[in-house]
Amino acid sequence: QQPVQSPQAVILREGEDAVINCSSSKALYSVHWYRQKHGEAPVFLMILLKGGEQKGHEKISASFNEKKQQSSLYLTASQLSYSGTYFCGTAPGGSARQLTFGSGTQLTVLP
Amino acid sequence: SAVISQKPSRDICQRGTSLTIQCQVDSQVTMMFWYRQQPGQSLTLIATANQGSEATYESGFVIDKFPISRPNLTFSTLTVSNMSPEDSSIYLCSVRADPNQPQHFGDGTRLSIL
Repeated sequence: QQPVQSPQAVILREGEDAVINCSSSKALYSVHWYRQKHGEAPVFLMILLKGGEQKGHEKISASFNEKKQQSSLYLTASQLSYSGTYFCGTAPGGSARQLTFGSGTQLTVLP
Repeated sequence: SAVISQKPSRDICQRGTSLTIQCQVDSQVTMMFWYRQQPGQSLTLIATANQGSEATYESGFVIDKFPISRPNLTFSTLTVSNMSPEDSSIYLCSVRADPNQPQHFGDGTRLSIL
């Protein structure tokens, strides 16, 4: 079942912060976050594994609450290059390994 | 991370024909997947390509329409058979070394059916 992402779209000014949420109705083993620019393939940002781990990459970080089956992506002091569509991909526990992707969040950063 | 080469990068095909898309990885990977992405939409999993056995298809996708081969741990093909305009989409190969590792995507094949 497809995870639910919110918001669907967000418009920011350079330097502002944003949070993108991803929630699932199923127990999760891992959450993957991607950014996709128009006409390009999705680019991997980070993976969060079962265990409530939080990760960071420069000004982009993410958290994973396995009990709530939710993950959030935090973008701080946004840059123009952050514009694109962000997808979360979730993998359930057990033997299933495939990622199911959310509907995406379109992020636009304006100067 | 693995380098994924996908061919062709784009093609325009006639209705009723078939096209085979190739995915080559520069290292052995446990998991290979094929996704479809229609314009402005999310990524939809077509199937998991299993090395040495039949692919595992998701609901709504069948082997007769999307036959998949995976002869080894670095290569897979997806064939889109008997194409119709509804098959116009981007097809993406995706790989993951193991469940705890990131999953990466090839550049995709942009397919248009006339």
